[in-house]
Formats: sequence, C-alpha cells, structure tokens
Amino acid sequence: DIQMTQSPSSLSASVGDRVTITCQASQDISNYLNWYQQKPGKAPKLLIYDASNLETGVPSRFSGSGSGTDFTFTISSLQPEDIATYYCQQYDNLPPAFGQGTRLEIK
Amino acid sequence: EVQLVESGGVVVQPGGSLRLSCAASGFTFDDYTMHWVRQAPGKGLEWVSLISWDGGSTYYADSVKGRFTISRDNSKNSLYLQMNSLRTEDTALYYCAKAIVSGSYGFGYWGQGTLVTVSS
Repeated sequence: DIQMTQSPSSLSASVGDRVTITCQASQDISNYLNWYQQKPGKAPKLLIYDASNLETGVPSRFSGSGSGTDFTFTISSLQPEDIATYYCQQYDNLPPAFGQGTRLEIK
Repeated sequence: EVQLVESGGVVVQPGGSLRLSCAASGFTFDDYTMHWVRQAPGKGLEWVSLISWDGGSTYYADSVKGRFTISRDNSKNSLYLQMNSLRTEDTALYYCAKAIVSGSYGFGYWGQGTLVTVSS
C-alpha cells in the first residue's frame, strides 16, 4: 500500500501569510493527488485535484504543485475562513490513502 | 446541486450489525463509482470501500474486509454499507462520497456523515 506523509501536522500563521503544506508519497504516484479542506464539524471538501487543478469555485489563493512523490499545497494569503484541517490523498492505486492531516490555526 | 445524505448510524454493541444508507441526488447516480470513507473521533480520514457504477466491482480496506459489504441500488439512487461483526475500533463518522469522475478513486462530493458508535 502507498503511504502518504504530510507535514507539518499543525501550523499557526497570521492573516495574509503565505502557508505551505507538503505531502510525500512512499512511491511514484504521478500526479494522482488531491487536496481536501475540512472545517470543524463539517465534511471534507475537494480543493485541488490532479495535484494542481483548482476545483470549480475554489478561491485562487489556493494552489497545488508537484508530481512523482513530492507535492506542495499553498495558500498565498491566509484568510480567517481558511481555518481548517487539510489532507492530501493519493488515488494512483487502491487503497486510496490520505495524509494524516495538517491543522491550520490563526496566530 | 449534488446531495448525499447518509443515515443509519446508531450505538451498537461489539459483535453487532448495522446497515448504513446514502441517498444521492443532483447527478446521474449510475454514472459514478461511490465510496465510503470514515473518520474516528478526533482522527484523520480512512477510506473504507468502493463500488463501481454497476455494482460489478467492489473493494475494501483490509481493516473491514470480510466484515463489511458495500452495495447500491441504482433504481433508488442509493448506496449502502452492511457492517457486521462490529468492533470498538469501527466507531467513526461514516461519509458517503461520490467519485470526482466516473471510476475515480478521488472524492468529489461528500455527505455530512452518519455516526456509528460501537460500545458495550
């Protein structure tokens, strides 16, 4: 099974900061990687698919990059409504696997 | 608008059984692979199972294989998860999720979840 290692596990940043989260796959997954946002008490929401494609309706301050085993998720200017836990997920092979999550807080 | 509404979550004793349901609307249900994903309290996301558009292919996480059965009724736009031999570690919020595109192992839309608690 493919393992996904996400870092950091938690992050505190100020409004307006640039925020970066990384995700590493245990083997080459090409660009078969998604990023999700989960706000407290809510279901996850797809933000980025195929490593770098922004889902319809998602603000352009969110972006993703990478291929192979190393991936990056970026919020260019953190907003108060971005407080959430973020997960990467590989879908190259079964079983689909998530990273352990990054909890983002406002400083 | 895509809607996924899960139901059936309750408190059940270890060793017991339960059937979860997910009612889908707002898209052509029988065009899409469907998934169950769970989240234990305070923990991360864990994929549980998937079923192909026609029900012909099913896959399970090792943690539930042999105990859970996924099924669908395309005439009713509904997805199900039969859960047998439940364990305390199955306690979680269970989400129904629609594939991003037909056959995908990514999750484009999620329901709000139904809570399963396994406890004596």
